[in-house]
Amino acid sequence: EIVLTQSPATLSLSPGERATLSCRASQSISNYLAWYQQKPGQAPRLLIYGASNRATGIPARFSGSGSGTDFTLTISSLEPEDFAVYYCQLRNNWPLTFGGGTKVEIK
Amino acid sequence: EVQLLESGGGLVQPGGSLRLSCEASGFSFNSYSMSWVRQAPGKGLEWVSIINTDGGITHYGDSVKVRFTISRDNSKNTVYLQMNSLRAEDTAVYYCARSLPSTQLFDFWGQGTLVTVSS
Repeated sequence: EIVLTQSPATLSLSPGERATLSCRASQSISNYLAWYQQKPGQAPRLLIYGASNRATGIPARFSGSGSGTDFTLTISSLEPEDFAVYYCQLRNNWPLTFGGGTKVEIK
Repeated sequence: EVQLLESGGGLVQPGGSLRLSCEASGFSFNSYSMSWVRQAPGKGLEWVSIINTDGGITHYGDSVKVRFTISRDNSKNTVYLQMNSLRAEDTAVYYCARSLPSTQLFDFWGQGTLVTVSS
């Protein structure tokens, strides 16, 4: 099983600041990585697929990069609605796996 | 409007069984693979199972293999999760989610149903 490790566990930032979230795979996964956002009491929402492609309706301040084992989700300037938990997800390999999540909280 | 409505959750004793349902509307159900993803209280996401468009191919997470069975009825736009031999660690909110075939990308999720395994 391929393990996805997210860091940091918690990121404390202020609105307007840049957020950089990391997801590392235990072996190379090409670009088979997606990112999701989850707010309290809500279902997750797909943000990024193929490591760097924004899903429909996702604002341009969200961007993804990386390939192989190291991936990054960047939020260029945090809006109040961006404070949430973010998960990376491996596809195209069984079992599908999620990272442990990064909580982006208001500083 | 795309909707996924889960039902069937509740309290069950360890060793018991439960069947979850997820009824879809607002899209062509038989064109999408369907998955179950769960989230234990205060924890992260765990993928449980996936079924392809015609129900002929299924995959399971290691922790539920043999105990859980996913199925679908395209005539009813519904996907099911039969859960047997339930354990305390199966306690979670169970979400159903759709994905385009061969992508395993969850582009729409239901709101979830809570399963509690406790004596």
